[in-house]
Amino acid sequence: DAKTTQPTSMDCAEGRAANLPCNHSTISGNEYVYWYRQIHSQGPQYIIHGLKNNETNEMASLIITEDRKSSTLILPHATLRDTAVYYCIASNNTNAGKSTFGDGTTLTVKP
Amino acid sequence: GAVVSQHPSRVICKSGTSVKIECRSLDFQATTMFWYRQFPKQSLMLMATSNEGSKATYEQGVEKDKFLINHASLTLSTLTVTSAHPEDSSFYICSASPGLAGWEQYFGPGTRLTVT
Repeated sequence: DAKTTQPTSMDCAEGRAANLPCNHSTISGNEYVYWYRQIHSQGPQYIIHGLKNNETNEMASLIITEDRKSSTLILPHATLRDTAVYYCIASNNTNAGKSTFGDGTTLTVKP
Repeated sequence: GAVVSQHPSRVICKSGTSVKIECRSLDFQATTMFWYRQFPKQSLMLMATSNEGSKATYEQGVEKDKFLINHASLTLSTLTVTSAHPEDSSFYICSASPGLAGWEQYFGPGTRLTVT
């Protein structure tokens, strides 16, 4: 897996968009960007993934830069229940599942 | 969506005993499942890859004789912590992928093991 770098922590006001950045400057052409989150004392939850194009699902949007060296996870209207540790992972299908979790970003949504 | 369950959710055992943790994919088949361990305030660490019908592949530093993995079917993998010691107390999490549109992982809710 390519190394990823994320800020240690971020705060966001409830109802506002939360934008979580991730740097993956050494990502290779066949590596996808995956985002997961882990709420305290629970198993991680898959959020979204992408290769080159921006992606959107019911949970979030993923914006990947054209050079693929960084990406941003967007939670459009953060709620208190979105408070969690968010992990960005770059991985290819050969290593499917052998995800290397870094320290992630602790997002705190405040009322 | 894909659902993975784990049982038990919490277990307390005495030092020297063995504990078995089950991981099930409820609505998809998984040739491969993964076992992670997470200590307090730390990130997840991959322990081993569980392969249906064959031996598990362990990460460096993980004792295969202590952490026995059996992948009996396409929907069930078990992790047995043998001769548990207090330092084995941790949060154990499994994951699996349906492997259809991508290789996103779906994680179980985790098992909190406390060895006294």
